[in-house]
This record gives sequence, structure tokens and C-alpha cells, in this order.
Amino acid sequence: DSGVTQTPKHLITATGQRVTLRCSPRSGDLSVYWYQQSLDQGLQFLIQYYNGEERAKGNILERFSAQQFPDLHSELNLSSLELGDSALYFCASSPRTGRSNYGYTFGSGTRLTVV
Amino acid sequence: GQQLNQSPQSMFIQEGEDVSMNCTSSSIFNTWLWYKQEPGEGPVLLIALYKAGELTSNGRLTAQFGITRKDSFLNISASIPSDVGIYFCAGFNAGNNRKLIWGLGTSLAVNP
Repeated sequence: DSGVTQTPKHLITATGQRVTLRCSPRSGDLSVYWYQQSLDQGLQFLIQYYNGEERAKGNILERFSAQQFPDLHSELNLSSLELGDSALYFCASSPRTGRSNYGYTFGSGTRLTVV
Repeated sequence: GQQLNQSPQSMFIQEGEDVSMNCTSSSIFNTWLWYKQEPGEGPVLLIALYKAGELTSNGRLTAQFGITRKDSFLNISASIPSDVGIYFCAGFNAGNNRKLIWGLGTSLAVNP
């Protein structure tokens, strides 16, 4: 157990729908990062939050949004889903933002299947 | 966005063989990280490197921070079946400590 908890583990939904993925960071970590990993693809950085504030944006679509709550858990909202959004979505956390002595700790991911 | 050049893309080896993979960048990095991802799981940090020339081991794994600060290497000695997975390099560019840059991974298969 990495200490980063992601729910749900699996999600199957129809095109056009909206889903919410949840992440609880490791205890004490202030930064949360969201990544998308499609089949045979590397990790695509989506967005980062640090202590409740958006800190960095990657290749995140306008249909996607995220937030980090006062208790530091984060949610990734995916709307108007398309077949191409099917992927593994990972959350990672770290103690602070940027370079640290701990790297990122990843959760086990949410596998999203859009049918 | 920027990505690291990781090679080889995939490897298929016999149990007991040594493995080498590397990661290169066109710009200078001040941190290199090596992760392993097993099927159905998130990446797990194996080794972190913070200084040029640094050589760090974690069991049968050894990684080095290249002298030029533009590359890093990961070696696995005496491979075993549980080494199977995708190995990712990642790093922080010296000019931007906020964004972790990733390689596309090296997929390792070990034949028992």
C-alpha cells in the first residue's frame, strides 16, 4: 500500500457522461498530481494542486477539471466523455511542490472504460 | 511538452541476464528518478539521483546520474521473473523545478 488511495478502481460509463475520480494523498503530502495513461502510452501529466491551489497544468482537456479540498483530497472530473478518454488515471502525491527528496508516490489508478 | 528519450523501448531477456537502459535529454536536469510499473499498478519509485556522477544502488538495481547532467542509466543485475514491468525515467529540468518530465518507458520481459 503506497498510502495514496484512489477510488473507484474501475469505472465503466457511456459516451457523453460525466464521472468523478477521487484521490486521497499520502498522509502529510500537500501536492497532488493527476496523470493519464492510455494503452501502450507513457504517463501524460494533466494537472497539479498544492495545498488547495492549482499549481501546474499539463495536457488537460477543457472537458476535464480538478480540485483539491481543504482536507487535501482531490477529485478529477471528466465530462462529455468520449471513447478516447478510456485510460488509466493515476493520482500521485508528494510532500511539497517541485523537486523533492521523495519523488512522487502513486496510487493504484482508476481504470476508466468509455463505451 | 518536453519528454525524455528512453531506450530501449522494450527488452526480452533470459532470467539471470543483466539489463541496461538509459534516458537522455537535450537539456540539463538536476534530478533523475527511476520508477517501475507492474501491470495494473501505479509506478513505484526505485531510485532517486540528485548529483551529477552519483551512483546509487537498490538491491540488484543500480542507477547513475550522468556527468553531463543530460542522461541517466539504470542497470539490473541477474534478472529474475519478478523484474517484469515497465521502467520509467523521470526528471526535473534545471530550468523548471516544478514540472516532472517523463520518458515513455522501457518494457522488460524476462523469460524464466
